[in-house]
Amino acid sequence: GAVVSQHPSRVICKSGTSVKIECRSLDFQATTMFWYRQFPKQSLMLMATSNEGSKATYEQGVEKDKFLINHASLTLSTLTVTSAHPEDSSFYICSARAGGAGIQYFGAGTRLSVL
Amino acid sequence: SQQGEEDPQALSIQEGENATMNCSYKTSINNLQWYRQNSGRGLVHLILIRSNEREKHSGRLRVTLDTSKKSSSLLITASRAADTASYFCATDAGQAGTALIFGKGTTLSVSS
Repeated sequence: GAVVSQHPSRVICKSGTSVKIECRSLDFQATTMFWYRQFPKQSLMLMATSNEGSKATYEQGVEKDKFLINHASLTLSTLTVTSAHPEDSSFYICSARAGGAGIQYFGAGTRLSVL
Repeated sequence: SQQGEEDPQALSIQEGENATMNCSYKTSINNLQWYRQNSGRGLVHLILIRSNEREKHSGRLRVTLDTSKKSSSLLITASRAADTASYFCATDAGQAGTALIFGKGTTLSVSS
């Protein structure tokens, strides 16, 4: 089946640094990818929709200048958490649809800890 | 954004008992999916039920969908300690460019 690879799986960084998370669709092209955030003991909240070749669409309350999304190719989207703060510590999960309106496949997630 | 509520928020049962979790949603859907998430881990896709289906089975899982009430239920029969996890429903509008929207989840604890 279709696979979405997310890297890194875990990152620990100092406050004020930037962290880049990659999301790749391994065996299908994805014009659209999605980024979710999950705080401990809570559900997944959609942060933004990443569109290949155009600007990402952010959900209400998500700072686009803090969470930079780049979808430069049909198989790669990146999320950069800029000037990370401890409150940005969370589990970030990406997903991608196969074949337009097809099944959505999820990456394994990235656990970000900001000290 | 989130679709709606799941209940119960937490459920504790003994091994061998059945566990039922409910999910309500707000908008029209193409399908509804259930996922499991072990603590600190990624999502595991369990089952998908389409809007024109009322019931679906997969092993010890039984899912129902009532589109008139905008609700779904997940039944796990003969539960095992390994079923301990959080369970989420997610709705899919089925359109290119739209994301799955997750419910708040139910935390299931199965004790042996």
